Amino acid sequence: SQQGEEDPQALSIQEGENATMNCSYKTSINNLQWYRQNSGRGLVHLILIRSNEREKHSGRLRVTLDTSKKSSSLLITASRAADTASYFCATDHTGNQFYFGTGTSLTVIP
Amino acid sequence: DVKVTQSSRYLVKRTGEKVFLECVQDMDHENMFWYRQDPGLGLRLIYFSYDVKMKEKGDIPEGYSVSREKKERFSLILESASTNQTSMYLCASSLGYGELFFGEGSRLTVL
Repeated sequence: SQQGEEDPQALSIQEGENATMNCSYKTSINNLQWYRQNSGRGLVHLILIRSNEREKHSGRLRVTLDTSKKSSSLLITASRAADTASYFCATDHTGNQFYFGTGTSLTVIP
Repeated sequence: DVKVTQSSRYLVKRTGEKVFLECVQDMDHENMFWYRQDPGLGLRLIYFSYDVKMKEKGDIPEGYSVSREKKERFSLILESASTNQTSMYLCASSLGYGELFFGEGSRLTVL
């Protein structure tokens, strides 16, 4: 399977702290994406980073990609209670297939 | 606003029943996907389609089939539902190399 793996599985932080989650994958990619899922809902796209990019920012989100290590990280700065959700990385290997990891469950305590 | 609509949020079916899960997108996307999501296993790809009447198997196609007669509609079919198919089913669409747009999910319980 080409499924990625997120680390940690669960993360609990205080409001205002930064949250970092990691994703590792096994085979070369076209791009890597991060998604967020609120409990019982569909996934929402957060950010896409292409294989030739090393870092990308979007608001309070910062994503890095290290293709030599086949890993990516998602940093959420100044977290809020509303950031409580599960976060998934998805890897695109062929252009029309996306493989998801098992997710990181983030809890932000007010 | 872009939208992927799944026909049912919650379904309860009996073992052996035929189940249809419908998904419609209004973005003229070529690619459509069906995933199932289970605790601890993440999202696993069942089938995807990159054009009308085209389909490709994902990682776990056994026990499922799909239909794509029109570009905007992608149906997942469980020919004979079993209890191990109790899960959350997520439909998504995309335009080539871009992001996936997901529906709200269909939670299926098979008794």
